[in-house]
Amino acid sequence: DTGVSQDPRHKITKRGQNVTFRCDPISEHNRLYWYRQTLGQGPEFLTYFQNEAQLEKSRLLSDRFSAERPKGSFSTLEIQRTEQGDSAMYLCASSAGAVLSYNEQFFGPGTRLTVL
Amino acid sequence: EDQVTQSPEALRLQEGESSSLNCSYTVSGLRGLFWYRQDPGKGPEFLFTLYSAGEEKEKERLKATLTKKESFLHITAPKPEDSATYLCAVHFYAGNNRKLIWGLGTSLAVNP
Repeated sequence: DTGVSQDPRHKITKRGQNVTFRCDPISEHNRLYWYRQTLGQGPEFLTYFQNEAQLEKSRLLSDRFSAERPKGSFSTLEIQRTEQGDSAMYLCASSAGAVLSYNEQFFGPGTRLTVL
Repeated sequence: EDQVTQSPEALRLQEGESSSLNCSYTVSGLRGLFWYRQDPGKGPEFLFTLYSAGEEKEKERLKATLTKKESFLHITAPKPEDSATYLCAVHFYAGNNRKLIWGLGTSLAVNP
């Protein structure tokens, strides 16, 4: 399977714990995006990488969120000190394209986070 | 203000009953408009990209069209398997930057 993969698919945690999600993009794609989505809403942009460089981060994203993409391959999204409001589907997408361009994105299946 | 609005929020059709979903936008410097389909509990699946007014693209029972202010996703003779949420996203110039804004989606249910 050459699509975007995410791990884990589901995560249940207690408030205050840290969680980390992984995304493996399509291998030839140089752009990687993280989104958050709650029920009935469209994807909410969190951050994106061009190769290993994190080029943009949403102003809505608190300091508890951090993302990395070492060597421009897979990416991780960490949430520290989780809150109940962090409960959502976290989506990863990848695409090919130059800086400042947006081409069609290919999404992974998402990680469903539940914070108790 | 740059905005993307999808309507209706929800649509229920009988199998075979054709209809259209709307994605209207108020941005300047459109670079492209994307349509995606999303099934419950899954990530969005890419359908179409439209770049300029007058452009049309088709895939099975779906046809996407674009004007200077909106895009339509026409569904001809839908089947129950077309039930999903349909999302649009607009890529545009914002000063020296380019941005992408997502709509909230239209939830489509097709009854057999």
